[in-house]
Amino acid sequence: GDSVTQMEGPVTLSEEAFLTINCTYTATGYPSLFWYVQYPGEGLQLLLKATKADDKGSNKGFEATYRKETTSFHLEKGSVQVSDSAVYFCALLNAGGTSYGKLTFGQGTILTVHP
Amino acid sequence: GAVVSQHPSRVICKSGTSVKIECRSLDFQATTMFWYRQFPKQSLMLMATSNEGSKATYEQGVEKDKFLINHASLTLSTLTVTSAHPEDSSFYICSITGYADTQYFGPGTRLTVL
Repeated sequence: GDSVTQMEGPVTLSEEAFLTINCTYTATGYPSLFWYVQYPGEGLQLLLKATKADDKGSNKGFEATYRKETTSFHLEKGSVQVSDSAVYFCALLNAGGTSYGKLTFGQGTILTVHP
Repeated sequence: GAVVSQHPSRVICKSGTSVKIECRSLDFQATTMFWYRQFPKQSLMLMATSNEGSKATYEQGVEKDKFLINHASLTLSTLTVTSAHPEDSSFYICSITGYADTQYFGPGTRLTVL
């Protein structure tokens, strides 16, 4: 079945540092890929997405490129802020068959940014 | 994107009682809604898919008699935790599939069973 693997956390950075959170996936067909962010005590918010190979999703300074050859969707940000502290989830959506609409999540990566 | 609300945001109940959690799609007609459970510092676990006008589809290992789901309209799905016990304490999150196959999540409901 489909699966998503994220780099283990937690990740602790100083403000303005470069961020990479690795995400790789296993799926049949052509899934869409997502990054969601969860702030403390809240639900998930869509951060960015990519629906086909070589697409780059971007939002709020975060970027991720859908790499089919390496089955990866790594999240990057050039300069993190304290307000970026949250849990980040990589996810895929396989639109085919009985899995329609079901997201498969990675385990989440806790990011803490210090001033 | 679509806006999803949940009510209540927090609930504390005694063991053995039932608790109802509402999930509303405020600006999108959702024929399908999803219910997730999240334990502290863990990922989301899909519990069931709620289908408007028909029975919910439960994931393996989820007790359908304990977690009752009703999806009576295109904008409302409810999850009732029956005879709740402390092990049911968790963060429950719903979502809908909105525009361009993107899922939009509610803010979650924190259930604490004493």
